[in-house]
Amino acid sequence: GAGVSQSPSNKVTEKGKDVELRCDPISGHTALYWYRQSLGQGLEFLIYFQGNSAPDKSGLPSDRFSAERTGGSVSTLTIQRTQQEDSAVYLCASRTGGGNTIYFGEGSWLTVV
Amino acid sequence: KQEVTQIPAALSVPEGENLVLNCSFTDSAIYNLQWFRQDPGKGLTSLLLIQSSQREQTSGRLNASLDKSSGRSTLYIAASQPGDSATYLCAVRVADSWGKFQFGAGTQVVVTP
Repeated sequence: GAGVSQSPSNKVTEKGKDVELRCDPISGHTALYWYRQSLGQGLEFLIYFQGNSAPDKSGLPSDRFSAERTGGSVSTLTIQRTQQEDSAVYLCASRTGGGNTIYFGEGSWLTVV
Repeated sequence: KQEVTQIPAALSVPEGENLVLNCSFTDSAIYNLQWFRQDPGKGLTSLLLIQSSQREQTSGRLNASLDKSSGRSTLYIAASQPGDSATYLCAVRVADSWGKFQFGAGTQVVVTP
């Protein structure tokens, strides 16, 4: 696609429910990142994929968070048993394998009530 | 652990003035440094990328410098316009990681007509 696509753009969920956030990177981009941005905060790294493997998942805040990538393309970030502190914008970014510039999607705004 | 700091947190200037945004990082072992712009409710747009071997990069009214040894980068925006109002973030690609980018908290810029 022309850019990084994320869905849903907005999600309101009840505390304790599970949510899935989807990222469709730019075609041909092998590297994919998930970041989280809380209100008024900087970007917090969550996980990095190279192809379908995740060599760096050091930023996942708890075992309620998981992510996978299939076919070297689409990635899904899953948050189980959501808590209010999970409310944030979840941003996905991608780049080519040998490239340097990273391209961000518009983000998925998650509100846990 | 790499830490990235941006000062000031907020900046307001009249239209036509030059903008100077600062970014500092604690570990000089970086692959590159990237400047981004974020408009309210939107994702990040890449502005400039400086490789670790470069001293500066220019694009139109934007110029970014990099002094890796002192852990500093500066983004200059000449002849500011109201359309330049946004939050500007810098990010360093950590050298000993799998491609992780560490972000600063950003500088919120307002250019008044």
